[in-house]
Amino acid sequence: EVQLQESGPGLVKPSQSLSLTCSVTGYSITSNYWGWIRKFPGNKMEWMGYISYSGSTSYNPSLKSRISITRDTSKNQFFLQLNSVTTEDTATYYCARSRRGESGFYFDYWGQGVMVTVSS
Amino acid sequence: DVQMTQSPSNLAASPGESVSINCKASKSISKYLAWYQQKPGKANKLLIYSGSTLQSGTPSRFSGSGSGTDFTLTIRNLEPEDFGLYYCQQHNEYPWTFGGGTKLELK
Repeated sequence: EVQLQESGPGLVKPSQSLSLTCSVTGYSITSNYWGWIRKFPGNKMEWMGYISYSGSTSYNPSLKSRISITRDTSKNQFFLQLNSVTTEDTATYYCARSRRGESGFYFDYWGQGVMVTVSS
Repeated sequence: DVQMTQSPSNLAASPGESVSINCKASKSISKYLAWYQQKPGKANKLLIYSGSTLQSGTPSRFSGSGSGTDFTLTIRNLEPEDFGLYYCQQHNEYPWTFGGGTKLELK
């Protein structure tokens, strides 16, 4: 069974970088696409980006200058880095397997999410 | 970006009833809509993709319909485990966008 688990600091100071890890078991990240999605207080959800089986990336244009998704295939993990965070980046962050459909991507396996608060 | 609007925001129902949740796109997304269930402490569950295709493991009491800009998730004969938060997401046009969520509560 595919399982994903997010980990990382729950508190980040404004202007610093947010770094999260997604550990995947039951499936190799050298297949498929692997991404990050966040849910803000008030329930709005935002797709952030993905890294593909080959290591290529795609990001939401709203984040393009601040986001980086990388991976360590030896550990079957992928990572999120979001730079220059503000309080508006306070959210629950989810990692998910991104499945390529007839059109676009949807998300068939998710982690349970990790809450990150940006505050001084 | 394609804006997705869900309605209602909140819905109260009893086990055994049927409910419908609506999702409207700001432009045509053909049939490419997914539905998710979210419950506290559990991983989000993909229920339906491409508008009406049930993900493996989704009970047959769930169904999706619609195309273009208007879509509906219907849950027939509600079970206790169906209560939670539901989201739609369009997978027609980059960047992929979500609706605002519908909270289905026990009446």
